[in-house]
Amino acid sequence: KQEVTQIPAALSVPEGENLVLNCSFTDSAIYNLQWFRQDPGKGLTSLLLIQSSQREQTSGRLNASLDKSSGRSTLYIAASQPGDSATYLCAVANQAGTALIFGKGTTLSVSS
Amino acid sequence: DGGITQSPKYLFRKEGQNVTLSCEQNLNHDAMYWYRQDPGQGLRLIYYSQIVNDFQKGDIAEGYSVSREKKESFPLTVTSAQKNPTAFYLCASSISAHRTYEQYFGPGTRLTVT
Repeated sequence: KQEVTQIPAALSVPEGENLVLNCSFTDSAIYNLQWFRQDPGKGLTSLLLIQSSQREQTSGRLNASLDKSSGRSTLYIAASQPGDSATYLCAVANQAGTALIFGKGTTLSVSS
Repeated sequence: DGGITQSPKYLFRKEGQNVTLSCEQNLNHDAMYWYRQDPGQGLRLIYYSQIVNDFQKGDIAEGYSVSREKKESFPLTVTSAQKNPTAFYLCASSISAHRTYEQYFGPGTRLTVT
């Protein structure tokens, strides 16, 4: 059974720092991996989708990488801002490809 | 504006009552999903639908029911059989249920049962 783990559970950094959020999964037979952002009490906003055949995706200050063989993905945030404060969730498509399996998230706090 | 709407944002019910959560999308997506989120937990799949008039159980379907009579609508009923219904419920959709497609989420409904 696929399990997704995110480390650390919480992270506090000063504004301007570059940071990395980690996501690991137990079954390397994934079809894609998606990173989301969730603000308190809100729904999820899709940040990046990496297909299984891709190694990385970039959007603005965000860069996500995928290493299927090692079961890992990282989300790199450059020059962090207070507005980046949120919970970041990663999810992989299950073996049937019918839905996503989520990690518990990393809660990021960026102080000004 | 294209997107997914969920209503209401907050819902309060007494124990023993059934309650229906609304999810509507105007993205012309075939697939729709319901997830449940509890504090400190990842999202868990309740039900999903790949096409109109068809739906399948997810990992935690007990105590829930759904219908998919229209492409744009996928309501979720939380029945009195659900032992711990208080949670944050999220609806999502994707172009199709094909495994490579991105999922988009609604704003969620917070259900409190007392």
